[in-house]
Amino acid sequence: RKEVEQDPGPFNVPEGATVAFNCTYSNSASQSFFWYRQDCRKEPKLLMSVYSSGNEDGRFTAQLNRASQYISLLIRDSKLSDSATYLCVVTWYNQGGKLIFGQGTELSVKP
Amino acid sequence: NAGVMQNPRHLVRRRGQEARLRCSPMKGHSHVYWYRQLPEEGLKFMVYLQKENIIDESGMPKERFSAEFPKEGPSILRIQQVVRGDSAAYFCASSHSRESEAFFGQGTRLTVV
Repeated sequence: RKEVEQDPGPFNVPEGATVAFNCTYSNSASQSFFWYRQDCRKEPKLLMSVYSSGNEDGRFTAQLNRASQYISLLIRDSKLSDSATYLCVVTWYNQGGKLIFGQGTELSVKP
Repeated sequence: NAGVMQNPRHLVRRRGQEARLRCSPMKGHSHVYWYRQLPEEGLKFMVYLQKENIIDESGMPKERFSAEFPKEGPSILRIQQVVRGDSAAYFCASSHSRESEAFFGQGTRLTVV
């Protein structure tokens, strides 16, 4: 089983749609969780941290389910500019704190 | 406050040469991570360093690759005797602590010819 697993997609959605991504992780000792986005093989950019209580930033909502070991990202009212690869990131403190990336989920928002 | 700086942005090396990739973390950050991204693949963890210490190098190939983060100066990822399979984008990230989010540099695109 991969350490961090994501559906690679692609997810093709029309503008204005709501889209959700899930990510599962294998290490129950994982402590910190993040979503990053990567455009056209450029550097990944932090989208948002994921907290146990869930958190929202504008059109983006992140949730964490520790019992089932998954995190999710919900994007409402999709924009063309949301087209990117979304990367799920997990930190394992019992391995010193390295960041483990999922392979990414590709999103394409069409007009 | 400058972000994470990597140089060079692009590096071309002939097979057998050495490649040295530099990463200057954000001001105040003492944690540095190196990742490699092959074409059409995801980011693969290579090494995690703090000042003068290698914390986790479980993703580093056993031979030809080394990394350091000295007390003064940038972190260096060194690849000796490069081969075509080393061609990839190498990203560096830094963070303030192991719990906090990491910020990435623009990467070094290494091409081995």
